[in-house]
Amino acid sequence: SQQGEEDPQALSIQEGENATMNCSYKTSINNLQWYRQNSGRGLVHLILIRSNEREKHSGRLRVTLDTSKKSSSLLITASRAADTASYFCATDAPYGNKLVFGAGTILRVKS
Amino acid sequence: DTEVTQTPKHLVMGMTNKKSLKCEQHMGHRAMYWYKQKAKKPPELMFVYSYEKLSINESVPSRFSPECPNSSLLNLHLHALQPEDSALYLCASSGAPGMPQHFGDGTRLSIL
Repeated sequence: SQQGEEDPQALSIQEGENATMNCSYKTSINNLQWYRQNSGRGLVHLILIRSNEREKHSGRLRVTLDTSKKSSSLLITASRAADTASYFCATDAPYGNKLVFGAGTILRVKS
Repeated sequence: DTEVTQTPKHLVMGMTNKKSLKCEQHMGHRAMYWYKQKAKKPPELMFVYSYEKLSINESVPSRFSPECPNSSLLNLHLHALQPEDSALYLCASSGAPGMPQHFGDGTRLSIL
């Protein structure tokens, strides 16, 4: 069964705008990860945030984690057409021996 | 280019055929995974190998048979598949279970 739920399911924005995706999960975690998947390709790891961290940055990506609400958000700033992809959160719950992926958000950036 | 290589990229097979999917990584990762992914859905975990031993089988039907010949290779043997098994099959590896995973680009499998 899936651990995470994501919203929105789909997001369409103009190039240059910011995109925010949210992820909720159900059990305690050691870390939460975000992945990107371009059409017809495998997933690419973007960022990992540990349960004792609240915010993390990587280039144009900003991830927040609220363990009290069991939720995370991924912000992509100044989006580009190349950011068009599906984005998945994944948690290492419940025993840390595998990842469980959320349903994903399909992002379309229009140029 | 991905650091996890999967072959073949596409496979079409009949329900009575036997075929194998192959996955190779040379990053020294000791955890390897098989996932099944349907269109517009997240990857579903099938199997996890840790140090070349099967550690997780997510109640996958026996028509899928994994094999880990060595620390760099992972195979998925297919036999008597059903049309609903048509999907993208992804292989991944990581330094340890629960840590960031590196994915191949998958094998697109179609069952006739």
